[in-house]
Amino acid sequence: DGGITQSPKYLFRKEGQNVTLSCEQNLNHDAMYWYRQDPGQGLRLIYYSQIVNDFQKGDIAEGYSVSREKKESFPLTVTSAQKNPTAFYLCASSGTGRQPLHFGNGTRLTVT
Amino acid sequence: QKEVEQDPGPLSVPEGAIVSLNCTYSNSAFQYFMWYRQYSRKGPELLMYTYSSGNKEDGRFTAQVDKSSKYISLFIRDSQPSDSATYLCAIGDDKIIFGKGTRLHILP
Repeated sequence: DGGITQSPKYLFRKEGQNVTLSCEQNLNHDAMYWYRQDPGQGLRLIYYSQIVNDFQKGDIAEGYSVSREKKESFPLTVTSAQKNPTAFYLCASSGTGRQPLHFGNGTRLTVT
Repeated sequence: QKEVEQDPGPLSVPEGAIVSLNCTYSNSAFQYFMWYRQYSRKGPELLMYTYSSGNKEDGRFTAQVDKSSKYISLFIRDSQPSDSATYLCAIGDDKIIFGKGTRLHILP
């Protein structure tokens, strides 16, 4: 079945450590996205990539980094510079043009 | 004015009732409209997607877009307890803006 796989589902880290969240898609979509979801805040765009080896900052990119070395993969690194990293992180992808986003099932990151 | 506004709820209705969920938006340049359903601790699932004004139906779900009023709605007929979830509207042009979601409870 085609879809988006995020792993792990739950992740725990100590403050000051970098952590990388995985996102893989087999939908053959060109565009991939990372969102953060907090209670009462809705979805906020962190980074997006329209094509391999290219990506752009979203609305809340500070403290995060990404890479897009392969079409199917778009990992997100939450760095120690991110002041409030505990959140639910969602990866999405879409086809070319004005196509809807398809989401993975998220990674819940807890930093203590 | 926020770009997309959505009442957070919670909205509680009895099983079998018709549910109406709504969003308003401010930018008339927005061209396409989506509704997502999100269960707790899961990713949003695309329910409906439309470009045009008017109605689009898919089973028990009807999406309605009124571009002149900048108002979109999702209707759920014969609501079931399994419809209990958070519903997100999303509206797009060059970028996609999400509403904050409405929590819906269907009471058995």
